[in-house]
Amino acid sequence: DAMVIQNPRYQVTQFGKPVTLSCSQTLNHNVMYWYQQKSSQAPKLLFHYYDKDFNNEADTPDNFQSRRPNTSFCFLDIRSPGLGDAAMYLCATSPSGGAGANVLTFGAGSRLTVL
Amino acid sequence: GEDVEQSLFLSVREGDSSVINCTYTDSSSTYLYWYKQEPGAGLQLLTYIFSNMDMKQDQRLTVLLNKKDKHLSLRIADTQTGDSAIYFCAETPSGGYNKLIFGAGTRLAVHP
Repeated sequence: DAMVIQNPRYQVTQFGKPVTLSCSQTLNHNVMYWYQQKSSQAPKLLFHYYDKDFNNEADTPDNFQSRRPNTSFCFLDIRSPGLGDAAMYLCATSPSGGAGANVLTFGAGSRLTVL
Repeated sequence: GEDVEQSLFLSVREGDSSVINCTYTDSSSTYLYWYKQEPGAGLQLLTYIFSNMDMKQDQRLTVLLNKKDKHLSLRIADTQTGDSAIYFCAETPSGGYNKLIFGAGTRLAVHP
């Protein structure tokens, strides 16, 4: 089945120790997103790629970076995790733009704990 | 600005109807969506509605859109224990086709 896979599902890191979360998709979608979801809060868009074009949200801290080496893979790098970065990180994909609804397909998420 | 608001919690009895409400601020939103999140899982699209419609029905789900009041609702008929989850309302803001702005989610608890 075509899907969005995130690894690892659970990541524990120490304060300040860099972390990389990965996302892969078999849907061949042009757009890939990273959302941060804290408990009882709305998923917050960090950035997205439209093909190779990177689109950063204005309020995304510099501590968060992303790479998309090819259509199938996208990575979220947190350079120096703080306690406030503990959250669920959701990857999603969607087809390229058009007149219709923008339907996102989500992965199961990577839960980050910072000690 | 873009803002989507939902009540945080709803409790219903099994077999009753559930109504989850959402308000949004961007009157130019083209599409509005409902996503479902079960424990430990990602978000799953339930349904969406185009902004020029006022109602959409899909099996047990009915979406009502009041564009004048910027109010969206999701009605689940004959609610089952398997419907227990968090339900997120989302909008595509004007000029932001590739973005979805989510509300904080409504946790639906279904009890016998």
